[in-house]
Amino acid sequence: KQEVTQIPAALSVPEGENLVLNCSFTDSAIYNLQWFRQDPGKGLTSLLLIQSSQREQTSGRLNASLDKSSGRSTLYIAASQPGDSATYLCAVLVGAQKLVFGQGTRLTINP
Amino acid sequence: DAGITQSPRHKVTETGTPVTLRCHQTENHRYMYWYRQDPGHGLRLIHYSYGVKDTDKGEVSDGYSVSRSKTEDFLLTLESATSSQTSVYFCATGGGPLTQTSNQPQHFGDGTRLSIL
Repeated sequence: KQEVTQIPAALSVPEGENLVLNCSFTDSAIYNLQWFRQDPGKGLTSLLLIQSSQREQTSGRLNASLDKSSGRSTLYIAASQPGDSATYLCAVLVGAQKLVFGQGTRLTINP
Repeated sequence: DAGITQSPRHKVTETGTPVTLRCHQTENHRYMYWYRQDPGHGLRLIHYSYGVKDTDKGEVSDGYSVSRSKTEDFLLTLESATSSQTSVYFCATGGGPLTQTSNQPQHFGDGTRLSIL
């Protein structure tokens, strides 16, 4: 059974810092890995999607990497801003278009 | 966004009553999903649909049923609600219009907060 783990569960950093969020998964048989952002009381917003054949994806200040063989992904956020405060979730796509989620990292950026 | 509307947004009901949550999409996506989100468990898949009248179970399907009579609507029913079904329920769509592809992200609605007393 696929399991996804995100460490740390919570992270607080001062504004302007670069930071890394970690995601690990137990079964390398995935179709893709997705990073989402969730604001309080809201749904999930897709940030980046990395296909299983890719190593990384970039969008603005965000860069996500994927090492499928070791079951790891990282989300790098450059020059963090208070507006980046949210919960970040990673998920892997397994058979039949189903996503398995980690429990998320709650990120707080302090002005 | 993918134009996903969930209704109702909030509901309080009593144990033993039937409850139906509705998800409506405007993007003609093939796949639709129902998740529940609980502290300590994250998001877990309840049921999903891969086409009109085509549905399958997810990880936590006991006590839930679904129906999809039109591409745009996916209903989640709790036949006899229990307190353990108190949760936030999210609908999602994906897979693109009438295609089975892994290169598109899932899109999520804003959730329904359900409390069962």
